[in-house]
Amino acid sequence: DIQMTQSPSSLSASVGDRVTITCRASQSIARYLNWYQQKPGKAPKLLIYGAFSLQSGVPSRVSGSGSGTDFTLTISSLQPEDFATYYCQQSYTTPYTFGQGTKLEIK
Amino acid sequence: QVQLVESGGALVRPGGSLRLSCAASGFTFSDYYMSWIRQAPGKGLEWISYISSGGSTIYYADSVKGRFTISRDNAKNSLFLQMNSLRAEDTAVYYCARDLKATVTLDYWGQGTLVTVSS
Repeated sequence: DIQMTQSPSSLSASVGDRVTITCRASQSIARYLNWYQQKPGKAPKLLIYGAFSLQSGVPSRVSGSGSGTDFTLTISSLQPEDFATYYCQQSYTTPYTFGQGTKLEIK
Repeated sequence: QVQLVESGGALVRPGGSLRLSCAASGFTFSDYYMSWIRQAPGKGLEWISYISSGGSTIYYADSVKGRFTISRDNAKNSLFLQMNSLRAEDTAVYYCARDLKATVTLDYWGQGTLVTVSS
């Protein structure tokens, strides 16, 4: 199975900050990498697919990059609604594993 | 608008069975692959199964293989998950999700249904 490792596991930041979350795959997954946002008690929401493609309706302050084994999710200027848990997920091969999550909290 | 509504979650004893349903609306259900994903209380996300648009291609995570069966009824716009031989570690919120690109890229999710396995 491909292991997905996110860092950091948690992060404190302020409104207006630029934040970056990293996801590393245990083997190359080309650009088959998705990012999701989940708020407490809610279903996850797709933010980025194919490593860098912005899902419809997601604000442009959110971006993704990377290929192979190393990927990043960047939020350029944090807004109050961005405080949530973020998950990466590889869609390269079964089983389609998720990272352990990064909890983004308000400082 | 796209809607996915799961149902069927309940409290069940270890070794028991349960059938989850996911009712889809707002899109052409028969055009899309679908997946089930679960989340144990306070834990991360675990993909457990997907089914192709016509139902001919199915995959499972090892954790549920041989115990869970995914199926769909395109005429009724419904996805199912038959869960047998349930264990305490199957306790989770179960989500159905639509696959954007037939690559387990999950663009719409239901609200989830809670399955609790306990004696």
